[in-house]
Amino acid sequence: GQNIDQPTEMTATEGAIVQINCTYQTSGFNGLFWYQQHAGEAPTFLSYNVLDGLEEKGRFSSFLSRSKGYSYLLLKELQMKDSASYLCAVRNAGNMLTFGGGTRLMVKP
Amino acid sequence: NAGVMQNPRHLVRRRGQEARLRCSPMKGHSHVYWYRQLPEEGLKFMVYLQKENIIDESGMPKERFSAEFPKEGPSILRIQQVVRGDSAAYFCASSPPSGAYAGNEQFFGPGTRLTVL
Repeated sequence: GQNIDQPTEMTATEGAIVQINCTYQTSGFNGLFWYQQHAGEAPTFLSYNVLDGLEEKGRFSSFLSRSKGYSYLLLKELQMKDSASYLCAVRNAGNMLTFGGGTRLMVKP
Repeated sequence: NAGVMQNPRHLVRRRGQEARLRCSPMKGHSHVYWYRQLPEEGLKFMVYLQKENIIDESGMPKERFSAEFPKEGPSILRIQQVVRGDSAAYFCASSPPSGAYAGNEQFFGPGTRLTVL
């Protein structure tokens, strides 16, 4: 089976950097995804990692260590609009995503 | 290029009625996934379909729930004899055939918010 853990809530200040961690135990691994979800809206794709290392995309970066079952999402130069839930999801060999419970990020002025 | 479309966006049903949720995948996408999200919780996988085939329904409750993705038309998630516990947001996602993109991410629709009175 799959088990994915991430913190429930985080708070950070506008302009700062925040790191959201995700740990997972899976019976099969075929990539890790991060999605952003604003309240009442659909999740939107942020990043994808299948090999170890860092993927950078503008203000957002995502890191993966497969041997440790660990990923993080790094958000730089935080803006108020970054207040949202951030969902870590692991894809198995069957192409299905298992989501963590999401991390609710609040950005304060 | 329209994204994933779901309708209705909001659905209210009384206990015992049937709920039908529709999902039209993005153009060129042949894989459809249904997820349920309870308030303040993460997304829970329900079912994975390709045209005329159910690939994996391990997340579907054994009773009252069914899904289809016919050769023509949208994918349908059907809930019979709804109960209050079925109240949730139901999201549909689609992806292209495997290998089309390196990431092959799933694109989500806006969701249907089901309220059972």
